[in-house]
Amino acid sequence: EVQLVESGGGLVQPGGSLRLSCAASGFTFSSYAMNWVRQAPGKGLEWVSYISSSTNIIYYADSVKGRFTISRDSAKNSLYLQMNSLRAEDTAVYYCARDRRSPAPGNDYYYFYMDVWGKGTTVTVSS
Amino acid sequence: DIQMTQSPSSLSASVGDRVTITCRASQSIASYLNWYQLKPGKAPKLLIYAASSLQSGVPSRFSGSGSGTDFTLTISSLQPEDFATYYCQQSYSTLYTFGQGTKLEIK
Repeated sequence: EVQLVESGGGLVQPGGSLRLSCAASGFTFSSYAMNWVRQAPGKGLEWVSYISSSTNIIYYADSVKGRFTISRDSAKNSLYLQMNSLRAEDTAVYYCARDRRSPAPGNDYYYFYMDVWGKGTTVTVSS
Repeated sequence: DIQMTQSPSSLSASVGDRVTITCRASQSIASYLNWYQLKPGKAPKLLIYAASSLQSGVPSRFSGSGSGTDFTLTISSLQPEDFATYYCQQSYSTLYTFGQGTKLEIK
């Protein structure tokens, strides 16, 4: 069964740090790009970060750039999110999601989407 | 960043109803539009990718259409398990963005 399981969430004070993990199973983790997406209480989904399968391409949302670092370890089939200088507005459920691409019929480009998600881990930033 | 705007923000409907949710992009995104379903405590679920392609395992009562800036998600006959929140998401830009969500509630 294809599965993603997040861990590492918890309560942290403003300005503190936390490292989230996402354990992948049931598929060849090293072949897929991965994402982190979050949902703050009462808010919608917000994409946070992307890392390519080979780790040479990384993107961040402006709201976390310079504070969060995405990484992966294919030997451990794991994705990580190092979160520093945490703020109250970072309080959210954090999901990891597999990035999938499919070729556009008759064309030489691809469509991108997130086809497998974990159930999330909750991060609360509060004093 | 590309802004995604969904309407309505909430919707009350009955089992068996046909429901349509719309999503508008702030610029043309071709067909780089995906739809997800979110239920409390569960993993988000991909429903539609590339604007109109049904994800494997998703019931055929779900369909998507549109291209450019205007898109729709249609549920042809609502089932009890469909009451959830739905999000559109663009993947035209490397900085993905979501709509604000549409909460589908039981009338």
